[in-house]
Amino acid sequence: EAGVTQSPTHLIKTRGQQVTLRCSPISGHTSVYWYQQALGLGLQFLLWYDEGEERNRGNFPPRFSGRQFPNYSSELNVNALELEDSALYLCASSPRWGEGANQPQHFGDGTRLSIL
Amino acid sequence: AQKVTQAQTEISVVEKEDVTLDCVYETRDTTYYLFWYKQPPSGELVFLIRRNSFDEQNEISGRYSWNFQKSTSSFNFTITASQVVDSAVYFCALSEAPGGADGLTFGKGTHLIIQP
Repeated sequence: EAGVTQSPTHLIKTRGQQVTLRCSPISGHTSVYWYQQALGLGLQFLLWYDEGEERNRGNFPPRFSGRQFPNYSSELNVNALELEDSALYLCASSPRWGEGANQPQHFGDGTRLSIL
Repeated sequence: AQKVTQAQTEISVVEKEDVTLDCVYETRDTTYYLFWYKQPPSGELVFLIRRNSFDEQNEISGRYSWNFQKSTSSFNFTITASQVVDSAVYFCALSEAPGGADGLTFGKGTHLIIQP
């Protein structure tokens, strides 16, 4: 069974630019989560999508947004990049909320974003 | 508000020693879920264990064991006879929803170094 896949692996951008990160969940999983792992800040919850809808959001500004497609894959968009957005962005997936609700989140390898 | 504290930033032991990673959590809910994840240098978070608040039974899986004590709000992780391959950052996490549907709250992580 293929795990959670994320692309690209690495990305370098400059301040003010926009970036899109992609995530494909494990087959059969409908929930997708995004986390930011910035140096010194630890792992922080960003967004949760389930069945194409944004279900919950962490304490991040609106320039962090995303969407989930009918095939349950997801994109994370970050606009107006700032230096402090440099981080490892991790995507996780789990079965549909309410079904297999005791299943843990499974994570991808992440996308390392560097802002110059 | 939820909070997870991993007071040990870094632990270094010699191979074959036993090591315990501490995790203390705070939550107002009576129903909650605790997790441990391992993050090797490659970056991917690997799920190790999930425990719900109604199940205080300790668990052993090979060289790994977990001690859950509600009275002290702790969920400690012990590696017996450590090996170099155990070197990684270990995260304890908390969720008030099954499977972490509301987004996992992570501790800062403990960097475990196993020296040969």
